Amino acid sequence: DTEVTQTPKHLVMGMTNKKSLKCEQHMGHRAMYWYKQKAKKPPELMFVYSYEKLSINESVPSRFSPECPNSSLLNLHLHALQPEDSALYLCASNLRTSGNYEQYFGPGTRLTVT
Amino acid sequence: KQEVTQIPAALSVPEGENLVLNCSFTDSAIYNLQWFRQDPGKGLTSLLLIQSSQREQTSGRLNASLDKSSGRSTLYIAASQPGDSATYLCAVSYLQGAQKLVFGQGTRLTINP
Repeated sequence: DTEVTQTPKHLVMGMTNKKSLKCEQHMGHRAMYWYKQKAKKPPELMFVYSYEKLSINESVPSRFSPECPNSSLLNLHLHALQPEDSALYLCASNLRTSGNYEQYFGPGTRLTVT
Repeated sequence: KQEVTQIPAALSVPEGENLVLNCSFTDSAIYNLQWFRQDPGKGLTSLLLIQSSQREQTSGRLNASLDKSSGRSTLYIAASQPGDSATYLCAVSYLQGAQKLVFGQGTRLTINP
């Protein structure tokens, strides 16, 4: 099973709301990633978790708060977002962060901030 | 600076043609190069992974090559079909900064029936 799942598929939220995105994989991968993708652009890395510890934060605003409660699950908590945060949010995983490993992506969550 | 470039940005060809997508990278010290397909509004589907020690990988009608010395990879699609229409992204895992994939801007491919 080479599947990364993400919920919800779509999310519409106001600028004062708090919501969370969820990502799950059961491949035994110990590296998990959050990316943000705007239309017609490649994915931009936001966060990297390695063995459930945050190893990279690409200077992401604090209104995005990642969490990795266990080796299979990755959350992204959202609070006080701006309309420019509307994008496709992608989760990905691979076996480990360094080494010769294939990265697998989930289907994404389409986020609209109103 | 570690960069990945894809040319062309968009390509439109008639059905049945063989075609080549190009990817170039700036540093030959890589773990691997990965080709992805992305349909509009969807996630990325991994097509092929080429390790730095390999010259090519094949999957069905797809063949990807890697020339580390020149910093180039190509994705060859044989007998193209309308269902191949998508954006194709290449991404490099560099030895330095291996936690990140560095993506090209993608090639938007349209196969006309």
